Amino acid sequence: GAGVSQSPSNKVTEKGKDVELRCDPISGHTALYWYRQSLGQGLEFLIYFQGNSAPDKSGLPSDRFSAERTGGSVSTLTIQRTQQEDSAVYLCASTGLSWNYGYTFGSGTRLTVV
Amino acid sequence: DQQVKQNSPSLSVQEGRISILNCDYTNSMFDYFLWYKKYPAEGPTFLISISSIKDKNEDGRFTVFLNKSAKHLSLHIVPSQPGDSAVYFCAASAGNFNKFYFGSGTKLNVKP
Repeated sequence: GAGVSQSPSNKVTEKGKDVELRCDPISGHTALYWYRQSLGQGLEFLIYFQGNSAPDKSGLPSDRFSAERTGGSVSTLTIQRTQQEDSAVYLCASTGLSWNYGYTFGSGTRLTVV
Repeated sequence: DQQVKQNSPSLSVQEGRISILNCDYTNSMFDYFLWYKKYPAEGPTFLISISSIKDKNEDGRFTVFLNKSAKHLSLHIVPSQPGDSAVYFCAASAGNFNKFYFGSGTKLNVKP
């Protein structure tokens, strides 16, 4: 597609439930990133995928968070047993081989855990 | 521990005047810096970058200045326009592009 697509745009879930957030990167982009922005905070790095290499998971805040990228394209971020502190905007970004223009971000998924 | 800090959560400027957005960082290994602009309900969009080998990069109305000794960078917008009203994030990376550290953002309001 023309841009990075994320779904759903908004998600309200009950504490303790699992959620899946989807990211469809720009076609041909080899690198895919997940960030989140909590209220009043900057963007916090979560995970990075590059081609077929092992992902950099160093930013995942707990083992309740996991992500996968199937076929080098679509990525799913899964949060198990959601907690209220997981409420944030989850942003996905992708980039190609050239770093001249930085990441291209999607519009994000606003997750609210009640 | 925030390695990139934007200490001004908001800034208000009159149309036509200069907007100066500031960013400080603590990690001396950072060598590549980005500025992003974010409108409500949209993802951040890339604005301008600078590498540590330069102290200034200019693109139209936008100029980024880097002071490595002070670990400080700033974004100048001149002249400011109402359409520039958005949240601006600075971000920094150390030696690779796998991970950027973002500041908490500054909300710019340009008044007509």
